[in-house]
Amino acid sequence: LAKTTQPISMDSYEGQEVNITCSHNNIATNDYITWYQQFPSQGPRFIIQGYKTKVTNEVASLFIPADRKSSTLSLPRVSLSDTAVYYCLVGVFSGGYNKLIFGAGTRLAVHP
Amino acid sequence: DAGVIQSPRHEVTEMGQEVTLRCKPISGHDYLFWYRQTMMRGLELLIYFNNNVPIDDSGMPEDRFSAKMPNASFSTLKIQPSEPRDSAVYFCASSFDRGGMNTEAFFGQGTRLTVV
Repeated sequence: LAKTTQPISMDSYEGQEVNITCSHNNIATNDYITWYQQFPSQGPRFIIQGYKTKVTNEVASLFIPADRKSSTLSLPRVSLSDTAVYYCLVGVFSGGYNKLIFGAGTRLAVHP
Repeated sequence: DAGVIQSPRHEVTEMGQEVTLRCKPISGHDYLFWYRQTMMRGLELLIYFNNNVPIDDSGMPEDRFSAKMPNASFSTLKIQPSEPRDSAVYFCASSFDRGGMNTEAFFGQGTRLTVV
């Protein structure tokens, strides 16, 4: 499974755009990149998934460069409720099965 | 669907007692995952099942931990005997296999276990 590296923590202010970058240098050809969000006292929640270029949904955008060795989760105009831990997952498909391994994640704090 | 349902939400037990955590996955999902989360170790994958069969239990900390999935709608995680270091939040999650993509897992609310 591809190892991921992301910042331990980030701070932002309401209304700003937040970009969280995840490095995954040994991503495999068939690997997808998936991001989860976890609020305190809750289980993680799927945000977005992509393979290459750009993916956008109602919550976030995911930018993946051509070499796919990194990816950036973009949260537009964050609010206080976006304070959470964000996890980047790569290579969840292992040995023919889905194996969801979470790293340490990025703790995002949004301030008024 | 009501989502992944875990019970109990909170459990306080004495060291040495048996603890059983329960999980009902989303109907139609063929994967079920058990995780443990602590401040020190983060979110650890303990074991996961595919079509009720345990695929990988390498994350189970020791023989005191066991998990079963007798049918597609129910799974248990048992700790016997329990120890204070087992105190954590235990999450159950389920997902539907789409051949590697869209591996969106749905998590339950978790069981907060305290062993005193």
